[in-house]
Amino acid sequence: DAGITQSPRHKVTETGTPVTLRCHQTENHRYMYWYRQDPEHGLRLIHYSYGVKDTDKGEVSDGYSVSRSKTEDFLLTLESATSSQTSVYFCAIGLAGAMNEQFFGPGTRLTVL
Amino acid sequence: GQNIDQPTEMTATEGAIVQINCTYQTSGFNGLFWYQQHAGEAPTFLSYNVLDGLEEKGRFSSFLSRSKGYSYLLLKELQMKDSASYLCALGSGNTGKLIFGQGTTLQVKP
Repeated sequence: DAGITQSPRHKVTETGTPVTLRCHQTENHRYMYWYRQDPEHGLRLIHYSYGVKDTDKGEVSDGYSVSRSKTEDFLLTLESATSSQTSVYFCAIGLAGAMNEQFFGPGTRLTVL
Repeated sequence: GQNIDQPTEMTATEGAIVQINCTYQTSGFNGLFWYQQHAGEAPTFLSYNVLDGLEEKGRFSSFLSRSKGYSYLLLKELQMKDSASYLCALGSGNTGKLIFGQGTTLQVKP
């Protein structure tokens, strides 16, 4: 199994504060993705990375930034959290190149008050 | 765009067969994926279709018709543990991006 962890698993924060979520993989996969999942919208891509320092925007990137300084870590930052960013955040890795299945991390439940 | 439509909810009986449909409107995609997601857990990969036709994996099969903009996931010999959400997704571009439908919540009853 692909090793992928997310931290923290749960976080409660206040509007206007910065928040960083971490995704860590142990198997040197090139492609990594950040999604958010909401009941009314389903799973939506925020940002993705195709290598160290190579990132691009997804469907719902406004209000989010990412960084990937090492292959194994992909960070998602909310510069100034808003209540609309309350969601479950999933990180995923592309298991065998760009065209194949993605393996998802356990998720982070973020609540912005 | 890549509008992806799935029924919101379905109910089926243990031991039966259920078909979950997915229709889409897109100018192009690489493949169509199905994921399973149990409540409170992460999505897990079930199947992948690139070409038209049926892909079978044990009790689960997935079908794709590109000309009709249509796919389905077929679950046979339903078990209680199959109660979950089933997500249809289109593979986009050459970076492995996935665009997901909103998912179908399946409830299996005894």
